[in-house]
Amino acid sequence: DTEVTQTPKHLVMGMTNKKSLKCEQHMGHRAMYWYKQKAKKPPELMFVYSYEKLSINESVPSRFSPECPNSSLLNLHLHALQPEDSALYLCASSREDRNTEAFFGQGTRLTVV
Amino acid sequence: AQSVTQLGSHVSVSEGALVLLRCNYSSSVPPYLFWYVQYPNQGLQLLLKYTTGATLVKGINGFEAEFKKSETSFHLTKPSAHMSDAAEYFCAVSALAGTALIFGKGTTLSVSS
Repeated sequence: DTEVTQTPKHLVMGMTNKKSLKCEQHMGHRAMYWYKQKAKKPPELMFVYSYEKLSINESVPSRFSPECPNSSLLNLHLHALQPEDSALYLCASSREDRNTEAFFGQGTRLTVV
Repeated sequence: AQSVTQLGSHVSVSEGALVLLRCNYSSSVPPYLFWYVQYPNQGLQLLLKYTTGATLVKGINGFEAEFKKSETSFHLTKPSAHMSDAAEYFCAVSALAGTALIFGKGTTLSVSS
């Protein structure tokens, strides 16, 4: 199984809502990532979890709150988002080696209204 | 610091023509390099990677890339383009610390019949 599964595929939320994005992998990877991608732009790294601990936070606003409940799951909790946060949110996982590729999920298309 | 530069934000070819997408890297250590493809509203799929060893790397869907240290390049080629190759292509390098990938700005490949 080389899949990273993200749910939901699409999400529309108001600026006062609280929602969560979910990501799951069963490849035994101990590094997991959240990326944000705007249209016609490359993915921008948001967070990195290594062995279920947050290792990198790329100065992401606190309205985005990541969580790694176990080695297979990664969540991104959303609260009080702004319309400019609308984007494709990608989850990825990899082994804990620099020479390894990351496997990406299909993404969640988020629209903030 | 590690970085990649993709030359040409948009490349157009005819079906059956050679595809050449350019990527140059900057790295203070031997780099690990990757090419990913992204179809509309989807996640990223690995095409190929260079870690060590053979400098000509073959990937999926008939793509290959050659690592040239003297030119700090890792260009992606395919001898004969298909309509299905139309997509966004990203070159990436492993970060110096940790396992996250650093992406280039991407190249949109268009294929005409």
